Amino acid sequence: DAGVTQSPTHLIKTRGQQVTLRCSPKSGHDTVSWYQQALGQGPQFIFQYYEEEERQRGNFPDRFSGHQFPNYSSELNVNALLLGDSALYLCASTRYGQGQGAQHFGDGTRLSIL
Amino acid sequence: QQQVKQSPQSLIVQKGGISIINCAYENTAFDYFPWYQQFPGKGPALLIAIRPDVSEKKEGRFTISFNKSAKQFSLHIMDSQPGDSATYFCAASSGGYQKVTFGIGTKLQVIP
Repeated sequence: DAGVTQSPTHLIKTRGQQVTLRCSPKSGHDTVSWYQQALGQGPQFIFQYYEEEERQRGNFPDRFSGHQFPNYSSELNVNALLLGDSALYLCASTRYGQGQGAQHFGDGTRLSIL
Repeated sequence: QQQVKQSPQSLIVQKGGISIINCAYENTAFDYFPWYQQFPGKGPALLIAIRPDVSEKKEGRFTISFNKSAKQFSLHIMDSQPGDSATYFCAASSGGYQKVTFGIGTKLQVIP
């Protein structure tokens, strides 16, 4: 049973570019959340998708956007990249209504901005 | 605004000792308090969690103590082992939402 998978594992971009990160949820899960983890910090909630709609959003600018597909996989898009966007981006999945604590995290995409 | 404050940020414990990590929260709407363990190169994994109607929860060598009036909770790792060396995050969420607010993390090193 595959867990949460994220791609790519590492990515290097330059300032001003755009990036797309991908996430496939754990089998049986239909809700995907994205987190940003800066070096030496805890993960920070970006947004959550369920039924192909953004349901909740953290304190992130509109440069951060997402999408969920009918197969429950999800993408995180970041436009006009800044040096401060360098971080580990984590995807977490769960089954809607399964309650807190049921989130499973992927191993993340390490994004470096030059 | 740091809604979940965690200390210490680093901790060195001898094998067999007790590791203690403390957290405090501000938002009284929080009603679920998980602890996550993260190894280098891996995503966080749920370790143990507690709700505010319980003052203590124990799972194996891991115990959460919860003080609702003080808005504080802590993780105790008994008989700490080198394999426990990882970064530990306390966290909180509310209302059944799966948005989780994390602490800054504690890097634990257990030395033989």
